[in-house]
Amino acid sequence: ETGVTQTPRHLVMGMTNKKSLKCEQHLGHNAMYWYKQSAKKPLELMFVYNFKEQTENNSVPSRFSPECPNSSHLFLHLHTLQPEDSALYLCASSQDLVNEQFFGPGTRLTVL
Amino acid sequence: GENVEQHPSTLSVQEGDSAVIKCTYSDSASNYFPWYKQELGKGPQLIIDIRSNVGEKKDQRIAVTLNKTAKHFSLHITETQPEDSAVYFCAAKGSGRGGADGLTFGKGTHLIIQP
Repeated sequence: ETGVTQTPRHLVMGMTNKKSLKCEQHLGHNAMYWYKQSAKKPLELMFVYNFKEQTENNSVPSRFSPECPNSSHLFLHLHTLQPEDSALYLCASSQDLVNEQFFGPGTRLTVL
Repeated sequence: GENVEQHPSTLSVQEGDSAVIKCTYSDSASNYFPWYKQELGKGPQLIIDIRSNVGEKKDQRIAVTLNKTAKHFSLHITETQPEDSAVYFCAAKGSGRGGADGLTFGKGTHLIIQP
C-alpha cells in the first residue's frame, strides 16, 4: 500500500450521469494530482493542487471538475462524460511539488 | 511543453539476464526523472529516481543513468527475476510556466521475463 486510497475502484456510468471519484492520502503530503491513463497512451496529467490551491489545469474539458477541500482529500466530479473518457483515473500525492509522487490504485471508469 | 519518448514498447528477456529501457526528453530545464513500475490492477509504484545534478544512481539490481547533454536517461535491471515482469514508465518533470508541477510520462515498456 502506498498510503493513497481511491474509491470506487470500478465505476460504470451512462453519459447523462453525475458521479464523483474520491482520493485520500494518509502521508501528510501537501500536493495532490489527478492523472488519466488510457490504453496505448502515456499517463496524462489533469490537475494539480498544492495546499488546496489548484496550480495546474492541463486543458481538461469542463465535464471534469476537481475539488480539493483539504490537503488530504481530492475529488473528481464527473458529468455528461463521453465514451472516450473511459480510462483508469489515478490520484497521486507528494510532500511538495518537487518530491516523488505516490500513486493510488486508480478508479477504472467505463462510460456507456 | 515537455515530451518524453520511451523505447522499447515491449521487452522480453531471459530470467537472469539484464534489461535496459531508454527514454529521451525535450525540455533541457527538466531536473527530475523518476521510474515507475505498474503491475496489473495497481497504480504505478516509484522504483528509482534521479535528479539532474547526478549522472547515475543504483539501488540493488536497479540503476538509472542520466545524460543531460543528450537529454536521455535509462533504466537498467540486472539479474532479472519473474517478479520484475510489469509495465515500466519513465517520467520527467518539466519547468514550463514557472515550474510545471506534474510529471510527463513515456508510453511505457512491457517487460516480460521468460523463465
